[in-house]
Parts: sequence; structure tokens; C-alpha cells
Amino acid sequence: DQQVKQNSPSLSVQEGRISILNCDYTNSMFDYFLWYKKYPAEGPTFLISISSIKDKNEDGRFTVFLNKSAKHLSLHIVPSQPGDSAVYFCAATFEGNTPLVFGKGTRLSVIA
Amino acid sequence: DAGVTQSPTHLIKTRGQQVTLRCSPKSGHDTVSWYQQALGQGPQFIFQYYEEEERQRGNFPDRFSGHQFPNYSSELNVNALLLGDSALYLCASRSYDRPNQPQHFGDGTRLSIL
Repeated sequence: DQQVKQNSPSLSVQEGRISILNCDYTNSMFDYFLWYKKYPAEGPTFLISISSIKDKNEDGRFTVFLNKSAKHLSLHIVPSQPGDSAVYFCAATFEGNTPLVFGKGTRLSVIA
Repeated sequence: DAGVTQSPTHLIKTRGQQVTLRCSPKSGHDTVSWYQQALGQGPQFIFQYYEEEERQRGNFPDRFSGHQFPNYSSELNVNALLLGDSALYLCASRSYDRPNQPQHFGDGTRLSIL
């Protein structure tokens, strides 16, 4: 049973527009959520996170929104740049020291 | 400041063989976790080491074992390799005292089983 789901395997966006990547989770115990970005032949790189006590966290062009009642989070990238083209993984954890549970990832392509 | 380093980068083995993968955590980190990422999937947690002991384990068979050394580096061992063990193996590190700090990942070891 997949506890973290990214239902869009791929997304294509024009340069300068907004990219919205979605993630759903089923385990209501999760209280900390992260987004990682992965380029080919590299390991995942941490992008942004959000605690369940917040509903929004912003870092430059990246904003993560959390809707706890819907068990849904989204990553917004504005404006999108060609260098943002990568696979984005949503991950969740709870009580701090539990392992990360990842979604399957969404491949973002930003077209110039 | 060196990040998480893993070796080797690539490895080819045949069924039934045994393999050892190595990981050095980011400077200042004392907790190492291993993940398996199969093609088209997200990383799946194998186990976590802290203070040279396995602290948590995911849903992986006993063929997967590990070790952590006093300098915090770690090894992942897989015995009796199966075709299904072909995957990218990722090592992640963090500080045990800062559980909500994000884990840092290495670039992984690509293991291919023939």
C-alpha cells in the first residue's frame, strides 16, 4: 500500500510559467514533508520542506502548500526555468526519526 | 565540506554473488540510512544505523545487512543476489540530534545483476 502518491509521472511546462507538482498521502501520522529534486546520475537533493503545523512554506521561487484535511501537498515553482528540469520526489516522515517514505516521483520538463 | 560519498559508482554482478557497497556520511553527521531505488520507483528505506547499531529496518529480507564503523561510515551487504536486486542504492546521512533537518543523499551506487 503506497502511503505517498505522486499521480503524475511527468509534467511539461514552458519557461517562465508556473510548475505545480502534486502529492497525496494516506497516513495521517505524517507530520513533516519534504521535496527532493533529482538529476540523472546524481543523488536526490533537498529542495524545501514543511511541518504539519504550517500550511505554506516559501523559499525563493519554490513554495510548498499543505492541506492536511485533504492529505495533499503541492510544490509551486515560479517562474520555471530550464534548469528545473529534473525528477521531483515528495517524501514524508513522522516523529522525527522515522525513515522517509517517498512517492514515485514526477519528471518535470521545462521547455525554453 | 564533503557531502555524502558512495563507492563504487557502478557495479555488475551475477546472480548468487555477494556485494558490498560503501558510504561516508557528510561531515558532522552520525546517522546513516540506506535506500533502494528501483527503476521508475521512489527510494525505499532499507535500514538506518546510529552508534554502530541497526536502529530501524524496512521491509527487506535478511540477505540485506549492514555495518557502521566508529568513524560513522557504513557498508551495505547483499548476499545471494537476485535479478530483482538491480537498482540504485542510495546512502543518506543526518545528525541524530536534529531529526527534522533534511537527510543528505549521496549520488548512489548503480548495481546491475546479470
